[in-house]
Amino acid sequence: AQSVTQLGSHVSVSEGALVLLRCNYSSSVPPYLFWYVQYPNQGLQLLLKYTSAATLVKGINGFEAEFKKSETSFHLTKPSAHMSDAAEYFCAVSDITGNQFYFGTGTSLTVIP
Amino acid sequence: DAGVIQSPRHEVTEMGQEVTLRCKPISGHNSLFWYRQTMMRGLELLIYFNNNVPIDDSGMPEDRFSAKMPNASFSTLKIQPSEPRDSAVYFCASRSGGQLYNEQFFGPGTRLTVL
Repeated sequence: AQSVTQLGSHVSVSEGALVLLRCNYSSSVPPYLFWYVQYPNQGLQLLLKYTSAATLVKGINGFEAEFKKSETSFHLTKPSAHMSDAAEYFCAVSDITGNQFYFGTGTSLTVIP
Repeated sequence: DAGVIQSPRHEVTEMGQEVTLRCKPISGHNSLFWYRQTMMRGLELLIYFNNNVPIDDSGMPEDRFSAKMPNASFSTLKIQPSEPRDSAVYFCASRSGGQLYNEQFFGPGTRLTVL
């Protein structure tokens, strides 16, 4: 069965500091992994996805994530936080069909000026 | 493309009333998903369709909830009768089945308040 665990439901960083949001997955097959962002009163928007083409994945808005099979992790990072990065972030893994997604519980990112 | 379209964006109703939420997926997408998001329970998958056929409705909370997809461009989620605990944001998402790693595209959501 597939699942993801997001460590830390709330993360606060200072503007300009490194952003690190953690995601660990559990999958019985090679996983496809996704990070989504949700801004207030909006739907979820794809930040990036791991498709097995490369372990380091670059996404929109300067975010990137590294797939580490040995650690079953897919942590999201950004070198320098902007105020506009304040949002809810969700990690997800797809099932063997690629159809059903299993979402984490989300991490709320606060950026302190 | 206009993306996934949901209507209404906001719905306020009284307990016991019927509520119908609507979704138009992205053209060409063959999978459609209904999610519910609350502070307490997070993002929950209610049901999903493949080629207009319901595949997994195990997330539908009770018989008061029903979903249909009469054609490839339209789906409804109905709650009858509605209860205050149904208050949540309901999202519709669609996906193209071309590749296993294709992502789901989410609509803006319908915020439902049941008084």
